[in-house]
Amino acid sequence: RKEVEQDPGPFNVPEGATVAFNCTYSNSASQSFFWYRQDCRKEPKLLMSVYSSGNEDGRFTAQLNRASQYISLLIRDSKLSDSATYLCVVNMLSSGNTPLVFGKGTRLSVIA
Amino acid sequence: NAGVTQTPKFQVLKTGQSMTLQCAQDMNHEYMSWYRQDPGMGLRLIHYSVGAGITDQGEVPNGYNVSRSTTEDFPLRLLSAAPSQTSVYFCASSPTGFYSNQPQHFGDGTRLSIL
Repeated sequence: RKEVEQDPGPFNVPEGATVAFNCTYSNSASQSFFWYRQDCRKEPKLLMSVYSSGNEDGRFTAQLNRASQYISLLIRDSKLSDSATYLCVVNMLSSGNTPLVFGKGTRLSVIA
Repeated sequence: NAGVTQTPKFQVLKTGQSMTLQCAQDMNHEYMSWYRQDPGMGLRLIHYSVGAGITDQGEVPNGYNVSRSTTEDFPLRLLSAAPSQTSVYFCASSPTGFYSNQPQHFGDGTRLSIL
């Protein structure tokens, strides 16, 4: 099982739609979880951290399911500007020299 | 706020040439790291530093050297460029390192092509 797995997409959704991405991780001892957003040919930028109790930031909701070892990102009322690649990032304490593991990303296209 | 500054933004090298990618941050972050990003791959850690004078290898360190003489600067050196090192390179910093909830702050990236 890969350390951090994401569906690469693309997810093509109309404006106003609700879309959800999942990300699974292999190390049950993982402590920290993040969602980053990366626009084409740009650097990754933190979208939100993921807390055990779940957290919301405007139209974005992140949740953590430790029992099933996945995190999710829900985007409500999608905007054209939400089009980007969303990277799942997991802090794996026991993975030697690569404690922070990045998923390959899920591509989202919001269509007018 | 400058944040994390990488130079150059673009570079083309010939096989066998050496060069240094520069990275500087003005946030007084202890932790700095270099990643490469290739099509279809996630970001992969090359080298990282937990503070001035301390560096360590990441997942893909071969062919690269780093040094951390100051808190602000973390240059990445390609010793003898190879076509397999064609990639986009990102430098990142964070206040308290990997083992925390602090996120990474990334530079704009350096697009490197090796012919």
